[in-house]
Amino acid sequence: LAKTTQPISMDSYEGQEVNITCSHNNIATNDYITWYQQFPSQGPRFIIQGYKTKVTNEVASLFIPADRKSSTLSLPRVSLSDTAVYYCLVGNTGTASKLTFGTGTRLQVTL
Amino acid sequence: DTAVSQTPKYLVTQMGNDKSIKCEQNLGHDTMYWYKQDSKKFLKIMFSYNNKELIINETVPNRFSPKSPDKAHLNLHINSLELGDSAVYFCASSRGINEKLFFGSGTQLSVL
Repeated sequence: LAKTTQPISMDSYEGQEVNITCSHNNIATNDYITWYQQFPSQGPRFIIQGYKTKVTNEVASLFIPADRKSSTLSLPRVSLSDTAVYYCLVGNTGTASKLTFGTGTRLQVTL
Repeated sequence: DTAVSQTPKYLVTQMGNDKSIKCEQNLGHDTMYWYKQDSKKFLKIMFSYNNKELIINETVPNRFSPKSPDKAHLNLHINSLELGDSAVYFCASSRGINEKLFFGSGTQLSVL
């Protein structure tokens, strides 16, 4: 099972870069790494997905080392509106364990 | 034009009652899911349907029964509600199995 481990919480000031790391030591060869963001009273929202090396989109970057046993979500210049819970999800097949989210990382951004 | 919509948003009911939550997606996706998020924010999958066929059925009491009349709908019926069923239930869809998930805004179920 590709269980994931993330820090429970992180704090940041507005304008800083935030890096959230997820450990997934048992990641399988065909597994992808996906990050979601959840605001209070809303469903999670897709941020970014990757398989290896680096992926970048308009909101974030995802860094995956060669061994793929961890990944780092990088949020450039966070704002107050980035305060949310961030989930790392590792999976590929249609097995339930790989579609269950961990407890996520609660990011608090302040002025 | 909400992509994944679920109703109702709030549901307050007594123990022992039977209730349903409806979910519809207008994204043309083949796969739909039900998730349960408890008070500790742990988001756990309950069921998944692909093209109206049940593909994931987690360790969920058989009081919970999903029904998919067509690819765009996945409803959740719960019989004999218990206090422990209180949670937020999220519907989600994806283009295919293991593609990115699109979530509804959730249904807050409170069992009294």
